[in-house]
Amino acid sequence: QVQLVESGGGVVQPGGSLRLSCVASGFTFSTYAMHWVRQAPGKGLEWVAFVRYDGSIKYYADSVKGRFTISRDNSKNALSLEMNSLRDEDTAVYYCHVFATSTDFDYWGQGTLVTVSS
Amino acid sequence: EIVLTQSPATVSLSPGERATLSCRASQSVGKYLAWLQQKPGQAPRLLIYDTSKRAAGIPARFSGSGSGTDFTLTISGLEPEDFALYYCQQRGNWPLTFGGGTKVEIK
Repeated sequence: QVQLVESGGGVVQPGGSLRLSCVASGFTFSTYAMHWVRQAPGKGLEWVAFVRYDGSIKYYADSVKGRFTISRDNSKNALSLEMNSLRDEDTAVYYCHVFATSTDFDYWGQGTLVTVSS
Repeated sequence: EIVLTQSPATVSLSPGERATLSCRASQSVGKYLAWLQQKPGQAPRLLIYDTSKRAAGIPARFSGSGSGTDFTLTISGLEPEDFALYYCQQRGNWPLTFGGGTKVEIK
């Protein structure tokens, strides 16, 4: 079965950095685009970043552009999110998400909590 | 950026009643509108994609309709497990965006 397992969350000071990872299994990782989505405590969902199946195209939300970098290693079935210059408002549960447009192939990880606080 | 506005923010209903949730887009999203359900402490789960197609394993009491900018999720006959948060998401334009959510609570 499809599994997405995130790791790397934790507490970091404002201005600090953190790297999130997501390891995928149960599907052909190298053929699917991947996304990061976040959810601040008690708030709604916010799409964060996208990477094409081959890593050649990346998109970011304006709120993280220039500070976050999404990447993937298809040899390891791994997705990453490098987060720099972290702000209080980046505090959230970060989810790894995969879906295929116009199909019901749609899976989420369990999420990893990032807390930005001094 | 396409803004999705969900209404109402909260709806209070009794088991067995019908729930009608609205999602309005600031510009057309074509058919690429999805509905997700989220329960406390859990990741979201896909219910509906492409406006009206139910994901595998989703009961027939969940239905989606609409087009362009106005979309509706209907739950006909609420079951106890349906009381949760519901989000719409447009998947046709960058950046992808979510609505603010509708909470379906027990009356």
